[in-house]
Amino acid sequence: ETGVTQTPRHLVMGMTNKKSLKCEQHLGHNAMYWYKQSAKKPLELMFVYNFKEQTENNSVPSRFSPECPNSSHLFLHLHTLQPEDSALYLCASSQDWGLGNEQFFGPGTRLTVL
Amino acid sequence: SQKIEQNSEALNIQEGKTATLTCNYTNYSPAYLQWYRQDPGRGPVFLLLIRENEKEKRKERLKVTFDTTLKQSLFHITASQPADSATYLCALANYGGSQGNLIFGKGTKLSVKP
Repeated sequence: ETGVTQTPRHLVMGMTNKKSLKCEQHLGHNAMYWYKQSAKKPLELMFVYNFKEQTENNSVPSRFSPECPNSSHLFLHLHTLQPEDSALYLCASSQDWGLGNEQFFGPGTRLTVL
Repeated sequence: SQKIEQNSEALNIQEGKTATLTCNYTNYSPAYLQWYRQDPGRGPVFLLLIRENEKEKRKERLKVTFDTTLKQSLFHITASQPADSATYLCALANYGGSQGNLIFGKGTKLSVKP
């Protein structure tokens, strides 16, 4: 494993549900990321946190709400999602946010919205 | 418009041959390029990073080249093995305000046949 864990690994939810995805990194990194990966599309960056501060919100709909209580944990709160939000949601971390930092990814949460 | 393209959606080669994957970009000024490997149901794993002032990088059977004139990176796997079968993603970091963010291509699915 890469040192980045994600729970749950699979999630099925209805459009009216509220759920949360959790990410934890054990690498002592300062930056954490949420990505969305859909079939036949490149990874889409959603949010970036650097030292617990959000540095990027890539025009993500408000039905996705991130939370970073400390530099080891990252959450993605979900509510009133749409079927097109079904995808693999990946969390990643890097030592710092800046040029030249490789990113370490978790295994992802496979989300299905009914 | 800005684009990053990995020319082949899928590449099939025979074991022992060299696999060559292509990553082209348009209207970016990348500070560096990274290559990742992704296996089904798992998050991407970092392989190599090459900076704009580097022509070539090697790591064991892997070689990456970077040509800023052609706006292209090539990723080679020599003496390929069935275990190399996976999807390979290229990602670039662009000079500008969000230098810590990676922009990914769609990936090339490599199949190495015994």
